[in-house]
Amino acid sequence: ETVMTQSPGTLSLSAGDSATLSCRASQSVSSNFLAWYQQKPGQAPRLLIYAASRRATGIPDRFSASGSGTDFTLTISRLEPEDFAVYYCQRYGNSPGFGQGTKVEIK
Amino acid sequence: EVKLLESGGGWEKPGGSLRLSCAASGFTFSSYAMSWVRQAPGKGLEWVSVITGRGDTSDYADFAKGRFTISRDNSKNTLYLQMNSLRAEDTATYFCAKFYSPSPVIIPAAPFDSWGQGTLVTVSS
Repeated sequence: ETVMTQSPGTLSLSAGDSATLSCRASQSVSSNFLAWYQQKPGQAPRLLIYAASRRATGIPDRFSASGSGTDFTLTISRLEPEDFAVYYCQRYGNSPGFGQGTKVEIK
Repeated sequence: EVKLLESGGGWEKPGGSLRLSCAASGFTFSSYAMSWVRQAPGKGLEWVSVITGRGDTSDYADFAKGRFTISRDNSKNTLYLQMNSLRAEDTATYFCAKFYSPSPVIIPAAPFDSWGQGTLVTVSS
């Protein structure tokens, strides 16, 4: 089983800052089957990124992502108030797995 | 517009059973594999089960094997999760999720592009 580990657990930032979130897999993620989701309290997750770096429909370009193999990064440039949320990475494919999440909170 | 609406959650004793439903609209339901994902209170996301668009192939997380059964009725555009032998650790909000890519026949390697709002299952004596 491939375990997904996200860091840091919490990021305390101000609006206008940039956020860098990390996701590491215990084994190589095949074909870059890696997605990122945003979840706000009381809401369902929202797909941000798929195939490691491709923005989903309607996602603003301040969200970008990169990585391959076992190391992946989500970058949020110029944080907007609505970006403060929890972010999850997901390895999809056979028996998909999620990271434990990174909370981006207001400093 | 894609809409997914879960129902059927509630309180149940350990060892009991619940059947969750997810009513889908806004897309060709039978063309898409569907999944259940759960989230324990204050915790992260955990994949539960998947079923192909035709409903003839499914897969489960280890904790769900032998206790949970995923099914679908394409004539009613509805996904189900039958949960038996419930345990306290099954307490969670259960989300149904649609895959990004159509896949009537095989389980796709794809992210989830639409989610319902979830239904809360509480297992407690």
